[in-house]
Amino acid sequence: GDSVTQMEGPVTLSEEAFLTINCTYTATGYPSLFWYVQYPGEGLQLLLKATKADDKGSNKGFEATYRKETTSFHLEKGSVQVSDSAVYFCALSDNTGNQFYFGTGTSLTVIP
Amino acid sequence: GAVVSQHPSWVICKSGTSVKIECRSLDFQATTMFWYRQFPKQSLMLMATSNEGSKATYEQGVEKDKFLINHASLTLSTLTVTSAHPEDSSFYICSAWPALLALHFGNGTRLTVT
Repeated sequence: GDSVTQMEGPVTLSEEAFLTINCTYTATGYPSLFWYVQYPGEGLQLLLKATKADDKGSNKGFEATYRKETTSFHLEKGSVQVSDSAVYFCALSDNTGNQFYFGTGTSLTVIP
Repeated sequence: GAVVSQHPSWVICKSGTSVKIECRSLDFQATTMFWYRQFPKQSLMLMATSNEGSKATYEQGVEKDKFLINHASLTLSTLTVTSAHPEDSSFYICSAWPALLALHFGNGTRLTVT
């Protein structure tokens, strides 16, 4: 079945460092891909999404490109800030309204 | 954009009491909503799928008599934790899927059972 695998954390970076959080997926059809962010004590917020191959989602300096050839949707940011400290979830939708799959989450801590 | 409102955000209750958590879609209709449970430093665990006008679909291992779900209207689903015990303490999150575009989440409810 469909699934999402993301790199394990925790990840600790210094402010202004480059961030990559890897995410790969397995799907039988043509899924949509998402990154969600969860700040401490809060629910999940949609960070960005891509609905077809080669689409690039971007928001708040974060980017991820839907790569069908490598079945990946890696999250990147060129210069992280302390306020980016959160847990990041990669997710996949099969677009049928039946299934929505999450990765296990990657905790990011950015230190000044 | 689509907004999902969840209430309360934090509740502390005594063991043996029941707690109701509300999940509302504010600017769209949601025939289906999802309820998750999240333990500290862990991912989301889907508990059940709430269907408007019909019974909820529970995931394996989730006690339906313990976690009562009612989806009485197109904008409201409720989760009632009955006879709560300390092991039910957790972070509960609801979500809805407007137009199948993206899953939108409530801000979660922290339940502490003393």
